[in-house]
Amino acid sequence: DIQMTQSPSSLSASVGDRVTITCRASQDIRYVLGWYQQKPGKAPKRLIYAASSLQSGVPSRFSGSGSGTEFTLTITSLQPEDFATYYCLQYYSYPLTFGGGTKVEIK
Amino acid sequence: QLQLQESGPGLMKPSETLSLTCTVSGGSTSSSSYSWGWIRQPPGKGLEWIGTIYYSGSTDYNPSLKSRVTVSVDTSKNQFSLKLNSVTAADTAVYFCASARNYYDTRRRSTVTDAFDIWGQGTMVTVSS
Repeated sequence: DIQMTQSPSSLSASVGDRVTITCRASQDIRYVLGWYQQKPGKAPKRLIYAASSLQSGVPSRFSGSGSGTEFTLTITSLQPEDFATYYCLQYYSYPLTFGGGTKVEIK
Repeated sequence: QLQLQESGPGLMKPSETLSLTCTVSGGSTSSSSYSWGWIRQPPGKGLEWIGTIYYSGSTDYNPSLKSRVTVSVDTSKNQFSLKLNSVTAADTAVYFCASARNYYDTRRRSTVTDAFDIWGQGTMVTVSS
């Protein structure tokens, strides 16, 4: 199984900050990674697919980068509605595996 | 626009079989454009993929659950389903159904399944005696 190690597990940030979240895969997954945002009591929402492709309707302050084993989700200028938990998902091989999540909290 | 809605029992007893249904609207479960999956999330914890069923009818399951899980599609009702046998308290979770597009990836030179993009709202299942 491919292990996805996500860091940090939580962070505190202010509105307007730049936030970076990292996912490391235990083996090469090329570009086959997605990022999701989840708010309490809600289903996850896909933000990024294929490592760097922005989901339609998602604000451009979200961006994804990376390939191989290291990936990054960046939020430029954090907005109040961005406080949530973020997960990465590798879908390169089965079983599909999620990172452990990063909770972005208000500082 | 594709929409998914889970349904099933909220409360179960240990050793029972969990049966959940996902009703699809705005699209067809018989379409070759989609694969259908289940993901769960224990209270306060992260996401765990359970299984996926493809247009061909073939399935992939999480090895940690494989011996207890069955995912199937009923195209006549435009639904897909999850069955999980012999549940325990460890199976208490919110269960999500989700869809993923199938597409031809030119870089991998094959038809592949994308990351889940459309999710149901989730249904809480509690296993307790």
